[in-house]
Amino acid sequence: GESVGLHLPTLSVQEGDNSIINCAYSNSASDYFIWYKQESGKGPQFIIDIRSNMDKRQGQRVTVLLNKTVKHLSLQIAATQPGDSAVYFCADSRGAGNMLTFGGGTRLMVKP
Amino acid sequence: NAGVMQNPRHLVRRRGQEARLRCSPMKGHSHVYWYRQLPEEGLKFMVYLQKENIIDESGMPKERFSAEFPKEGPSILRIQQVVRGDSAAYFCASSPSSYSYEQYFGPGTRLTVT
Repeated sequence: GESVGLHLPTLSVQEGDNSIINCAYSNSASDYFIWYKQESGKGPQFIIDIRSNMDKRQGQRVTVLLNKTVKHLSLQIAATQPGDSAVYFCADSRGAGNMLTFGGGTRLMVKP
Repeated sequence: NAGVMQNPRHLVRRRGQEARLRCSPMKGHSHVYWYRQLPEEGLKFMVYLQKENIIDESGMPKERFSAEFPKEGPSILRIQQVVRGDSAAYFCASSPSSYSYEQYFGPGTRLTVT
């Protein structure tokens, strides 16, 4: 991921709709990717992760898609709820025990 | 099952003072990472420590910043002679081993330099 130091892009969705948050990463050697949710004043909270030998992984209401060809990662949230409102960060690493490189984040706002 | 703990949660220092940030990893975790977050930005890696060892400090500023993770007690991130630009949220993450991919984050310490 790359942090560009600008105001966070915002995605505004209606409650119940599906949300898609996108992320680009730059390191071709990255083999682990993870999505975090960060609420105001709190630390990042793990949502879902994926290894580079997979292109899709599903969790509860969330799906992560990985396209290594174009170095793109996306997070899909089904039936978005007000409690999903937060900033979402993607991060990647070159392997176990390595640092995470974070993207710049996307603010998700859910309208009731 | 306590998660990663950080203290203090908020710290105010005047320019030139020292800041000490503490991190207690999750039970059973022996690896600690420190990250810094500026407002409206993603987290930036600073340093990776194992008990009594610094594994990777490639993200640490060359001066005024140091980190340790002693055999007993929490990991400490120390910032000497703080400047306004040090104002940020500092997060600690822990993992159980060098073979683990997952990192679990604490609530952070918000440092304000006046």
